[in-house]
This record gives sequence, C-alpha cells and structure tokens, in this order.
Amino acid sequence: QQQVKQSPQSLIVQKGGISIINCAYENTAFDYFPWYQQFPGKGPALLIAIRPDVSEKKEGRFTISFNKSAKQFSLHIMDSQPGDSATYFCAASKSSGSARQLTFGSGTQLTVLP
Amino acid sequence: DAGITQSPRHKVTETGTPVTLRCHQTENHRYMYWYRQDPGHGLRLIHYSYGVKDTDKGEVSDGYSVSRSKTEDFLLTLESATSSQTSVYFCAINLPGSDTQYFGPGTRLTVL
Repeated sequence: QQQVKQSPQSLIVQKGGISIINCAYENTAFDYFPWYQQFPGKGPALLIAIRPDVSEKKEGRFTISFNKSAKQFSLHIMDSQPGDSATYFCAASKSSGSARQLTFGSGTQLTVLP
Repeated sequence: DAGITQSPRHKVTETGTPVTLRCHQTENHRYMYWYRQDPGHGLRLIHYSYGVKDTDKGEVSDGYSVSRSKTEDFLLTLESATSSQTSVYFCAINLPGSDTQYFGPGTRLTVL
C-alpha cells in the first residue's frame, strides 16, 4: 500500500526549463510535506518543505504548490540546471507518539541536459 | 550529514548470517530512525527510537531488530540475513523541535 504516489518516475529537461514533479497522498493525518534531493551514493538531503495551511512556498528556484482539498502537492524547479540532476523524493510526515513517521514517494530521477 | 555516521558503509554477506549496522550521532538527538531504500519504493521506515531503550516498529520491520543502549548509538540487526534484505540502509535523526529528518550517508548491504 503506497500512501504517497509520485510521478513521473523519470524526467528529462533542457537547461533553463521548468521541472515539475507531482505527488498525491491519502492519509489526512499527514501534516508536514518535505521534498528531498539525493545524489548518487549520498543520503537524501532536505530541499524544501511545506505545511498544509500554506498553498505555496518558494525558496530560490524551488517552489512547492500544495492543494489540500485534492491531497496533492508538487515541486517546481525553475531555470533547471545540470547540477539539479538528481533523484527527488516527496514525503509526508505524521506524528507517531512523540516521534515523526515519514512516508516517501517512489522517487523521480531528473536529468537536466546542458 | 547532520553529524551522523554509519558503519560499515559497505558490506557483503551470505544468506543466513547475522548482520549489525551501526548509526552513531554526537549531538544527543532523542529521535533516531532506520530506513531501507529500494528502487521503485523510495525509503521505507524499518524501526525508530524515541530514547534509550525506547523503540518501535515501522512499516517494514519483519526480519529486523534494533537496540539503543545509549543515546548516541542506534543498532539495526538482521538476525539471519536474506537476499530480500539486500538494500541501502539509511539512519536519520530529528533535530529538537523540528519535524524534519536528516539522513546519514547510508550503508550498502548485499546478501548473497
């Protein structure tokens, strides 16, 4: 049972273009939605995150759009660069006692062509 | 890597042997997590800890056990490794007052 569905599985974009990755969730107990970026051989690194009371959050070239009623959120990478080539994971977090449980999407491999 | 080290970084073992992976942190973080990463599945939570000797199961805990006898170390044990446990294992921590999890560099485990 995949609680967070991510698409597309892979994405190829030209340098300077916009990369868009989409995620959808089912569990309304999720209350925090981070995006992680992962380079080969490295651990996932937090890129940007949003809470469901906000519809959009922008940090530099990275923007999260959040649609609470549709239970969907997306990552937009503006002016994509070859250095952005990596695997991107959306995630959804909920409380588990005093700890937090993260549920990840299956990942999107982004390639930005020079 | 949020002050997290994992050891070993790579391990090859045979089916049926016990394996222990170590996650070490130096900042006295209370919450620690073990995930496995497999193609097409993202990362899935195995076990987590909310203090010394306090642990709980995650989504894919079957075949794994954990121990936390001191704050800085969280151990993941495969009592009898199987080929289906071939994966990359990541440890993570929560910073105090934050919902964000920060990940270690990972351990690549191959079970032949």
